[in-house]
Amino acid sequence: GQQVQQSPASLVLQEGENAELQCNFSSTATRLQWFYQHPGGRLVSLFYNPSGTKHTGRLTSTTVTNERRSSLHISSSQTTDSGTYFCAYSNTNKVVFGTGTRLQVLP
Amino acid sequence: AQTIHQWPVAEIKAVGSPLSLGCTIKGKSSPNLYWYWQATGGTLQQLFYSITVGQVESVVQLNLSASRPKDDQFILSTEKLLLSHSGFYLCAWSPLTGGQNTLYFGAGTRLSVL
Repeated sequence: GQQVQQSPASLVLQEGENAELQCNFSSTATRLQWFYQHPGGRLVSLFYNPSGTKHTGRLTSTTVTNERRSSLHISSSQTTDSGTYFCAYSNTNKVVFGTGTRLQVLP
Repeated sequence: AQTIHQWPVAEIKAVGSPLSLGCTIKGKSSPNLYWYWQATGGTLQQLFYSITVGQVESVVQLNLSASRPKDDQFILSTEKLLLSHSGFYLCAWSPLTGGQNTLYFGAGTRLSVL
């Protein structure tokens, strides 16, 4: 079945440091999306990126489809970046989420 | 603009009692609809999806059922709650057609079963 692995499981940064989050999935994705979950639970879409590179603000997502991997780069981290980051992929109507990366950014 | 509304925001229920959670999408016709469940500290697990009124596909049942009585409404329910049903329930929608098949989530319902 479809599987997705995320790494690292958790990450602690000092404010201003960069972060690289990884997502590896088991088969070709037609949908690959990165989400941020606020500590209160709200889930926000960061990128829809089944292939290539996309930027928004301090965030960059790169997906290499034929290598079945995607990354999320956070530059110059801020305390407000703290929370959990999920990637989710599918090639059907079944959308599988990774286990998430818990990020804590210290002041 | 499309909006997605989930109700209730939170519930505290007794084991064995019934449950009904709702989700409404406004501003988008014929969306794909999804129910997800998240245990505390865990990942999101897809429970059901629906591509049209009256049709619901189960991914993982967890002794729950889902229905789509209207194009813009998705209901999650059970007649008898278990302790294991506690968690965070999220409804999502995506466009039925089109190149960007993005998932958009509601604010969620937090359920505590005691």
